[in-house]
Amino acid sequence: NAGVTQTPKFQVLKTGQSMTLQCAQDMNHEYMSWYRQDPGMGLRLIHYSVGAGITDQGEVPNGYNVSRSTTEDFPLRLLSAAPSQTSVYFCASSPIGREQYFGPGTRLTVT
Amino acid sequence: EDQVTQSPEALRLQEGESSSLNCSYTVSGLRGLFWYRQDPGKGPEFLFTLYSAGEEKEKERLKATLTKKESFLHITAPKPEDSATYLCAVQANYNNNDMRFGAGTRLTVKP
Repeated sequence: NAGVTQTPKFQVLKTGQSMTLQCAQDMNHEYMSWYRQDPGMGLRLIHYSVGAGITDQGEVPNGYNVSRSTTEDFPLRLLSAAPSQTSVYFCASSPIGREQYFGPGTRLTVT
Repeated sequence: EDQVTQSPEALRLQEGESSSLNCSYTVSGLRGLFWYRQDPGKGPEFLFTLYSAGEEKEKERLKATLTKKESFLHITAPKPEDSATYLCAVQANYNNNDMRFGAGTRLTVKP
């Protein structure tokens, strides 16, 4: 099992550019989520999904879109990147209501 | 609003010097409290889940305990390889999936 995989590991964007962060899991977990981690702050939930075709907003959803067409994949789209979106992004998956398993992260810099 | 506060922010110990990390929380009906370990540049790694006051879990030099208002992660005779950031998260009864994370405690163990 690869667990939770994320690509790319690093990305630099210019303000206004768009991009998609990829996340995939091979554990057949229903629940998948995206967090951002900033210095001095805890992980903050951006969007989550409880199954294919079902997504919902977390604590900090503005500027991000998600979709879930399969159980395995949960991409995060930045529509128009802003410097405030400079952060480390983590994808996680779990069975419903259980501990979450995290990917290795994507470090994003917006200039 | 659910809140999680971890203290101290940073802790430096000598090898073998036992100590405890604190996670205090306010949540409308605790479903579970989770401890994670995060190494620099990596995603959080699951350690423990605690579900009810009085519960304890152990793993090697780590022991997690839970009361109605806080959780402690006790580290007995730590080694340099225990150096990491330790994250605490709570999951509420009204939402089976979302986790609210604390900012973490950065532990350094000197040889």
